[in-house]
Amino acid sequence: AQSVTQPDIHITVSEGASLELRCNYSYGATPYLFWYVQSPGQGLQLLLKYFSGDTLVQGIKGFEAEFKRSQSSFNLRKPSVHWSDAAEYFCAVAPYNQGGKLIFGQGTELSVKP
Amino acid sequence: EAGVTQFPSHSVIEKGQTVTLRCDPISGHDNLYWYRRVMGKEIKFLLHFVKESKQDESGMPNNRFLAERTGGTYSTLKVQPAELEDSGVYFCASSQGGLYNEQFFGPGTRLTVL
Repeated sequence: AQSVTQPDIHITVSEGASLELRCNYSYGATPYLFWYVQSPGQGLQLLLKYFSGDTLVQGIKGFEAEFKRSQSSFNLRKPSVHWSDAAEYFCAVAPYNQGGKLIFGQGTELSVKP
Repeated sequence: EAGVTQFPSHSVIEKGQTVTLRCDPISGHDNLYWYRRVMGKEIKFLLHFVKESKQDESGMPNNRFLAERTGGTYSTLKVQPAELEDSGVYFCASSQGGLYNEQFFGPGTRLTVL
């Protein structure tokens, strides 16, 4: 069955520190991959997506993600975290030929220490 | 341009009652998706409309859930009768063009069934 795993339920980092959020997927082929962020009271916002090509993808707000086929991973990174990055982050896949529906991981809650 | 809106933002009902959730997608977006997040779990796909047609309702939990999209504009999701396990946050998302284009999410409706 297709699935997405985000191993870390909650992460706390200091402001200015680097960040890496992990995401692994289980799927028979390379799916379309996404990272979304949800701030309190807001809808989910797309940070970045990977369809094909360069495996290092740049997104909004200074985020990037790297697709590693051999590890079935799509980890999200940011070199220096800002207090405003505190939010919940969701990794998602859209399996090919399934209407664009998204399969989400459990989410990772990010807290930022001053 | 207005984003995806959902109404109500919160709903508290008793078991056995009926509730109707509404989603207004971004104007011109043909694709409309419903998702649900039960507390502590991942966000799960419910169904997908293209204009007024249901393309995929494989995620609908059971026949107590009925979704409609009148004239290909706004959509409603009715739960009748509501059960305790229906509690959660219901998200609506819309997208235009291709199936793997960015889905824009509403802020969600938090449903509590007592």
